[in-house]
Amino acid sequence: DGGITQSPKYLFRKEGQNVTLSCEQNLNHDAMYWYRQDPGQGLRLIYYSQIVNDFQKGDIAEGYSVSREKKESFPLTVTSAQKNPTAFYLCASAAGPNTEAFFGQGTRLTVV
Amino acid sequence: GNSVTQMEGPVTLSEEAFLTINCTYTATGYPSLFWYVQYPGEGLQLLLKATKADDKGSNKGFEATYRKETTSFHLEKGSVQVSDSAVYFCALTFNQAGTALIFGKGTTLSVSS
Repeated sequence: DGGITQSPKYLFRKEGQNVTLSCEQNLNHDAMYWYRQDPGQGLRLIYYSQIVNDFQKGDIAEGYSVSREKKESFPLTVTSAQKNPTAFYLCASAAGPNTEAFFGQGTRLTVV
Repeated sequence: GNSVTQMEGPVTLSEEAFLTINCTYTATGYPSLFWYVQYPGEGLQLLLKATKADDKGSNKGFEATYRKETTSFHLEKGSVQVSDSAVYFCALTFNQAGTALIFGKGTTLSVSS
């Protein structure tokens, strides 16, 4: 089935550790996005990529990094510099601007 | 800048009641407008969209009309069901490379039988 897959569903991290969230899509979409969701805050854009080997910072990129070495994959690393990383992270992809975005099931990250 | 404002929730309704969730936007240009729905513990799904003024998007009994004069895209449903309980997000984007969806904060709908 075509779709977008995030893993793991739940992730626990100790303070001071980096952690990488996986996002894979087989929809042949050019654009991919990472959003962070906090209660009462809606979705805030972390990073996005329109093509392979290119990506742009979103509104809250500090403490995060990404790579886009393959069209299908857009992993997000939450670094120790991110002051409040506990949140629900959503990855999305789209064929292009102005088109429907398809979302993964999300990864819930908890810092312990 | 570009932004989306939704009515504060939660919205609590009885089954078969009429639903309205207000959404207004601020945009430099002519955006496309979307409603997404999120069920508990899941990602978002597109509910409906409209790409130009006066367009009406509809799906599963939900409707929204793109009103340029009032910069609004209010979501409506004539008769809600318990299964409609979810969080609803209004969003906008532009038809140009390098843009991403901009979301409102979401409105939680709870429908009881």
